[in-house]
Amino acid sequence: AQSVSQHNHHVILSEAASLELGCNYSYGGTVNLFWYVQYPGQHLQLLLKYFSGDPLVKGIKGFEAEFIKSKFSFNLRKPSVQWSDTAEYFCAVTGPGYSSASKIIFGSGTRLSIRP
Amino acid sequence: GAGVSQTPSNKVTEKGKYVELRCDPISGHTALYWYRQSLGQGPEFLIYFQGTGAADDSGLPNDRFFAVRPEGSVSTLKIQRTERGDSAVYLCASSLDRGRELFFGEGSRLTVL
Repeated sequence: AQSVSQHNHHVILSEAASLELGCNYSYGGTVNLFWYVQYPGQHLQLLLKYFSGDPLVKGIKGFEAEFIKSKFSFNLRKPSVQWSDTAEYFCAVTGPGYSSASKIIFGSGTRLSIRP
Repeated sequence: GAGVSQTPSNKVTEKGKYVELRCDPISGHTALYWYRQSLGQGPEFLIYFQGTGAADDSGLPNDRFFAVRPEGSVSTLKIQRTERGDSAVYLCASSLDRGRELFFGEGSRLTVL
């Protein structure tokens, strides 16, 4: 069965530090990949997405992610975090192929805490 | 409306009762998803609609859970004979098409006493 792994459950950083959050998924084939963010008290919203093309995708608020097919990974990065980046981050992936693309599966999330 | 709307935002019920949770998606979005999120966990897929039909209901935990979308817009998630383990935040999301970006509502927090 398809699955998404986020190995970092809680990450604590100081402002201006660099960030990398890991995401691995369990199967090959054509997939769509997403990172969502949930700020305190708010609903989930999209940070960035990868469907095809350039494996390095840029999202909102200075975030980027790199799709490495050989490693089944889609890690999220930001060169310099801000206190306002404190949030929960979720990686998500669709099923392989069009027939399974409806089921978007989420990882367990990484809680990011930024020390001001 | 401008976004996905879910009602009620909070529901407290007793074990064994019946509950309905409503989702009003973004106008024009054909795909509608239900997820369940427990504390410290990611959203757990329940069911997905494309138009009026349930295209994938493989995430529904058992036959106490049922969802409908009769006119291809508003959807209702129905839970019969609620159990304490059903307590969670139930999230609805809509999308222009399957596998595309999801737009989430604020969620309905269900507490079963």
